[in-house]
Amino acid sequence: KAGVTQTPRYLIKTRGQQVTLSCSPISGHRSVSWYQQTPGQGLQFLFEYFSETQRNKGNFPGRFSGRQFSNSRSEMNVSTLELGDSALYLCASSLGSSGYEQYFGPGTRLTVT
Amino acid sequence: AQSVTQLGSHVSVSEGALVLLRCNYSSSVPPYLFWYVQYPNQGLQLLLKYTSAATLVKGINGFEAEFKKSETSFHLTKPSAHMSDAAEYFCAVSPMNRDDKIIFGKGTRLHILP
Repeated sequence: KAGVTQTPRYLIKTRGQQVTLSCSPISGHRSVSWYQQTPGQGLQFLFEYFSETQRNKGNFPGRFSGRQFSNSRSEMNVSTLELGDSALYLCASSLGSSGYEQYFGPGTRLTVT
Repeated sequence: AQSVTQLGSHVSVSEGALVLLRCNYSSSVPPYLFWYVQYPNQGLQLLLKYTSAATLVKGINGFEAEFKKSETSFHLTKPSAHMSDAAEYFCAVSPMNRDDKIIFGKGTRLHILP
């Protein structure tokens, strides 16, 4: 069974631009979560989607948004990029929320200049 | 609210020595507990999972963890460290409430000394 895939793997953007990251979960997984990872803040939860509905949301500004499609694929969007948005963005999929382990993709490394 | 605390952001052990990474959780009911490992420039990989079936859980790469309810702990151990174990390790707790998200600790970076 194929793992979680994320595209693109690397991305360089300029301040003020917007970016869209994509995540394809493991087949059959209906839950997709997004995380931001930086050296200073560690792993921070962005949001979780389950069956196209946002189930949980972390403490990030409205510039960060996401969605999930009927095939469980998910995208996250960051508008008006800031230098501080430079990070590794990780996507994880699972069968459900409570009690289910998450399977992580390799991440998208976003650099904002 | 559920929470998880990992003691020590950095731990160094000599190759061949015992590895002990500490994790304490806060939960009103016994949760599901996980340990993940992250190698450089990669995503997190599941090491092991506690689901209440057994208090001692064996995972991949020779790691194991013991659930101790009285201490609200889920420490990760490996009898003999290998250079390839150098990575960052995350403890996580998943609540029983089906709508609550999994919560990760801040991580412990394990350094292996030759």
